[in-house]
Amino acid sequence: ETGVTQSPTHLIKTRGQQVTLRCSSQSGHNTVSWYQQALGQGPQFIFQYYREEENGRGNFPPRFSGLQFPNYSSELNVNALELDDSALYLCASSPKGDSSIYGYTFGSGTRLTVV
Amino acid sequence: AQSVTQLGSHVSVSEGALVLLRCNYSSSVPPYLFWYVQYPNQGLQLLLKYTTGATLVKGINGFEAEFKKSETSFHLTKPSAHMSDAAEYFCAVTDNYGQNFVFGPGTRLSVLP
Repeated sequence: ETGVTQSPTHLIKTRGQQVTLRCSSQSGHNTVSWYQQALGQGPQFIFQYYREEENGRGNFPPRFSGLQFPNYSSELNVNALELDDSALYLCASSPKGDSSIYGYTFGSGTRLTVV
Repeated sequence: AQSVTQLGSHVSVSEGALVLLRCNYSSSVPPYLFWYVQYPNQGLQLLLKYTTGATLVKGINGFEAEFKKSETSFHLTKPSAHMSDAAEYFCAVTDNYGQNFVFGPGTRLSVLP
């Protein structure tokens, strides 16, 4: 079975720009979550999507938005980029909407640098 | 609100020595607890998890952890460290809805020859 794949692996953007990160969930997984991992810190929850609907959101401003598609792949969009948005963005998928039982399968992440 | 603390941002052990990585959590509901490992420039890999049942949980690569409710702890251990164990380790807690995993700040494990 394929794991979670994310694209691109690295990205450099200018402050004020917009960015879209993409994620393909593991086969059979219908729940996708996004996490932001700043350098030297643990991942922080951005939001979760279950069956194409947002199913929980962390303490991130509205300029962070997402989508989940019928094939359960997902996008993370960030508008009006700020320098502090520089981080590793991790996508994680889980089966059946119950991440507490199964845990997450994480992708390798997209390293976003905002200059 | 849930939270996780990991005592020691950096732990060094000799190859063959015991590995002990500490995790304490705060949760107002019965917690579900996880340990993840992150190798450089990679995502997180699940080592083990505690949901219900036996409090001593065995994971991959010889790691295990014990859930101690009275101490609100979920420390990770391995009897004998291997060079390949050098990585960043994260403890995480969630509730039974699993929407939001709260991660600790991580502990970087170095294994000395």
